[in-house]
Amino acid sequence: KQEVTQIPAALSVPEGENLVLNCSFTDSAIYNLQWFRQDPGKGLTSLLLIQSSQREQTSGRLNASLDKSSGRSTLYIAASQPGDSATYLCAEQGVRSQGNLIFGKGTKLSVKP
Amino acid sequence: ETGVTQSPTHLIKTRGQQVTLRCSSQSGHNTVSWYQQALGQGPQFIFQYYREEENGRGNFPPRFSGLQFPNYSSELNVNALELDDSALYLCASNLAGAYGYTFGSGTRLTVV
Repeated sequence: KQEVTQIPAALSVPEGENLVLNCSFTDSAIYNLQWFRQDPGKGLTSLLLIQSSQREQTSGRLNASLDKSSGRSTLYIAASQPGDSATYLCAEQGVRSQGNLIFGKGTKLSVKP
Repeated sequence: ETGVTQSPTHLIKTRGQQVTLRCSSQSGHNTVSWYQQALGQGPQFIFQYYREEENGRGNFPPRFSGLQFPNYSSELNVNALELDDSALYLCASNLAGAYGYTFGSGTRLTVV
C-alpha cells in the first residue's frame, strides 16, 4: 500500500523562525511531488510542485526539496509569519497511483506573534 | 483565467438521501478529479474523469458516481448517504499529460 507520511503532525513556533516540514513517500516511481496549503475549512492552494527530474523549487520564502532515492521531501519556510498559520499537505503523483494524488495527513502550523 | 469553482459551499442532508455536487474546471483543463477529505485527514481520491468517461477510481463504493460534461464541468453524485459521508469534497482539474492539479474551495457536506 502506498503511503505518504508527514512529520510533525503539528508545530507551533514564534514569529520569525525558520522551519522545516517533512514528507516521506513509498512510491519509488513518482512523476512529481506537490505541496499545498489549506486554511481551516477551505480548499487547497498549490504552493510548489517538484517534478521527478528536479531536486528543488523555490517561491518567495518557501523552498521545497525532493530526494527520490530516500523517498523524502522537505518544505522550508524562512522567517515565518502569523499569516503562514495553516495546514500544509504534501501529495505525490506517480506510476503506482496511476497519476492520481496520494496525500499525507498534513502538518498543522501555528506561528505565534 | 478562472480557477476551479464548486457549488454549493455547504450542504446538510439526511441519512439515506441523495446529493449532487458540482464543479467547473479551470479554463483549459480537460481532466477532473474528486477527493473526499474527512476531518483531520488528507484528501482521499474518489475518481477521475477524462473525455466524459471515468478514468480511474479509488476505494469508494458504487453509490459514489460522477459525470463529466462536454465543457469539462463535472458532478459528483452520492446515493444512500451515510453519516460517514460527512466530509469536505474537493474537485481538482488539470490538463491531461501535464503536471500539477488546481483545486476548488470544496463543498462541506454534513449528513445527519
